[in-house]
Amino acid sequence: SQTIHQWPATLVQPVGSPLSLECTVEGTSNPNLYWYRQAAGRGLQLLFYSVGIGQISSEVPQNLSASRPQDRQFILSSKKLLLSDSGFYLCAWSVAQANTGELFFGEGSRLTVL
Amino acid sequence: GNSVTQMEGPVTLSEEAFLTINCTYTATGYPSLFWYVQYPGEGLQLLLKATKADDKGSNKGFEATYRKETTSFHLEKGSVQVSDSAVYFCALRGNTNAGKSTFGDGTTLTVKP
Repeated sequence: SQTIHQWPATLVQPVGSPLSLECTVEGTSNPNLYWYRQAAGRGLQLLFYSVGIGQISSEVPQNLSASRPQDRQFILSSKKLLLSDSGFYLCAWSVAQANTGELFFGEGSRLTVL
Repeated sequence: GNSVTQMEGPVTLSEEAFLTINCTYTATGYPSLFWYVQYPGEGLQLLLKATKADDKGSNKGFEATYRKETTSFHLEKGSVQVSDSAVYFCALRGNTNAGKSTFGDGTTLTVKP
């Protein structure tokens, strides 16, 4: 069966520090991968998606970047965090050839920037 | 572009009450529609889905029918339980743009014993 894991689960970082959130998927090949951010009491905002290794599409201009160094690994990064980067970050995957299929989410990573 | 509008919360109900959370959408083509649920401190998980008009998705006593004529996908449950307390998200996924999903803002449901 397929599984998705992301880490760390909780992170408290000072303003200006770097960030690295990692996400891995097991049990499937060539998934579509996504990073979402959920602000408190709000819906989900798509940050990045990837349809293959090294292929990253950004949805909104921001202080963050994403990379996909391996087929089932997706990394969210920042060189210098801002207060506004605080939030709940969710990694998700979907079957590449089933564009009407559902998303499978990781457990989430809560980032607090102080 | 695509958009999803769902009933604002929070919603507070007593156990065994009837639940309706409204969801309407705007999309081109023929999207698939979903309801996801998020329990406190967790990621989202699929509750139910429908991939074409007039389909009914159902799971754990929840139901939603894909109504193309009213562009709606309302979530219903006949008798809620305390364990149903969570945030519910309506979403759609089109068949273009790498299948990107569009989410509503979520509706927080609290069920009291």
